Amino acid sequence: GAVVSQHPSWVICKSGTSVKIECRSLDFQATTMFWYRQFPKQSLMLMATSNEGSKATYEQGVEKDKFLINHASLTLSTLTVTSAHPEDSSFYICSASSGTGGAYGGELFFGEGSRLTVL
Amino acid sequence: AQSVAQPEDQVNVAEGNPLTVKCTYSVSGNPYLFWYVQYPNRGLQFLLKYITGDNLVKGSYGFEAEFNKSQTSFHLKKPSALVSDSALYFCAVRKAAGNKLTFGGGTRVLVKP
Repeated sequence: GAVVSQHPSWVICKSGTSVKIECRSLDFQATTMFWYRQFPKQSLMLMATSNEGSKATYEQGVEKDKFLINHASLTLSTLTVTSAHPEDSSFYICSASSGTGGAYGGELFFGEGSRLTVL
Repeated sequence: AQSVAQPEDQVNVAEGNPLTVKCTYSVSGNPYLFWYVQYPNRGLQFLLKYITGDNLVKGSYGFEAEFNKSQTSFHLKKPSALVSDSALYFCAVRKAAGNKLTFGGGTRVLVKP
């Protein structure tokens, strides 16, 4: 299957700082990328859907000013946690889709996740 | 709205015994169904999917799942479990014409030697 790279895998930051997480599709063009948040021992919660070149669509209850998502190219989406606080500590996972066409049509491919710890 | 239920938080099984992880779903129209596995501090690994065709789907690492439309179920099975199968398993569904994937709550599988 296709490869989605997520970076960094681990990040520790001080409260009040901003953190950027990158999600790259390495061998296909991702027309749509999704960002999830996972709390310990819980399922994945969809935060937002981003389409290349347009604004992200956020799920209800997700602060768009807090979690900035950019999808400037067909292979890169970024999630920036602004003014991070300890309650933002979580495991963030991205996934990418090439849409309905192509070799990977209809499938989602997941990154390895990024664990954020805010002190 | 679409939803997925995984009724068991944890499944314990002895190595070599059959493993079943249950999943039921709710979605309008034809469902696309998926199973993923997650190891600690890792992303999700794709196991198998049902799109159309044969109700019995075979996937990676000896896993299979059976789509049952009347019972709206997509249970994951493995005839003989390994200790290395111990992980967190997620069932997911999306509409055939959509791209938003909805996950179940996850089932932790513990295979004891």
